[in-house]
Amino acid sequence: KNEVEQSPQNLTAQEGEFITINCSYSVGISALHWLQQHPGGGIVSLFMLSSGKKKHGRLIATINIQEKHSSLHITASHPRDSAVYICAVPGGNQFYFGTGTSLTVIP
Amino acid sequence: KAGVTQTPRYLIKTRGQQVTLSCSPISGHRSVSWYQQTPGQGLQFLFEYFSETQRNKGNFPGRFSGRQFSNSRSEMNVSTLELGDSALYLCASSSQGDTEAFFGQGTRLTVV
Repeated sequence: KNEVEQSPQNLTAQEGEFITINCSYSVGISALHWLQQHPGGGIVSLFMLSSGKKKHGRLIATINIQEKHSSLHITASHPRDSAVYICAVPGGNQFYFGTGTSLTVIP
Repeated sequence: KAGVTQTPRYLIKTRGQQVTLSCSPISGHRSVSWYQQTPGQGLQFLFEYFSETQRNKGNFPGRFSGRQFSNSRSEMNVSTLELGDSALYLCASSSQGDTEAFFGQGTRLTVV
């Protein structure tokens, strides 16, 4: 049983398209994290959110605590957005991670 | 406010050697947890320390160990390195372990 499920696993988009990545979780949480990882690179924290919506530039993250679901949206996608996006939820003194969504944005 | 600092960022070691990685948490945070990401795999939980005590441990062999110092800085050690230990090692810090948390950028270890 996976505590965190992400979809889709892979996503290819044309530059400028609107992207949505979904994350569902089964544990009760205080906050959910969205992380970004470029190929061969380290981890970058994008958002930490416990309710509602947060926006940073072209990135928007939303969470519905009752439905245990979060989405990461990218507006006007750009090739530099190509990366793996991972959601992470805390539980029992550790984090549980989704398997990641590999996004490729084609010029 | 300084972020979570992991050192070194990149490391190359030879099979059979041992390695020590460091994680300095956010000031005031007492919980540090460690994770391994191997190529093509998701992030797997290694262990978590809170106030110098290991509270939780993942399913990894005894070659993987860790500790936490009184200033909350944590180290993890891998002995007798194997090729399969090549991975990104990530740490996270939080005040209680399941509340507001921050992630380091990771240490990329290559074993040759």
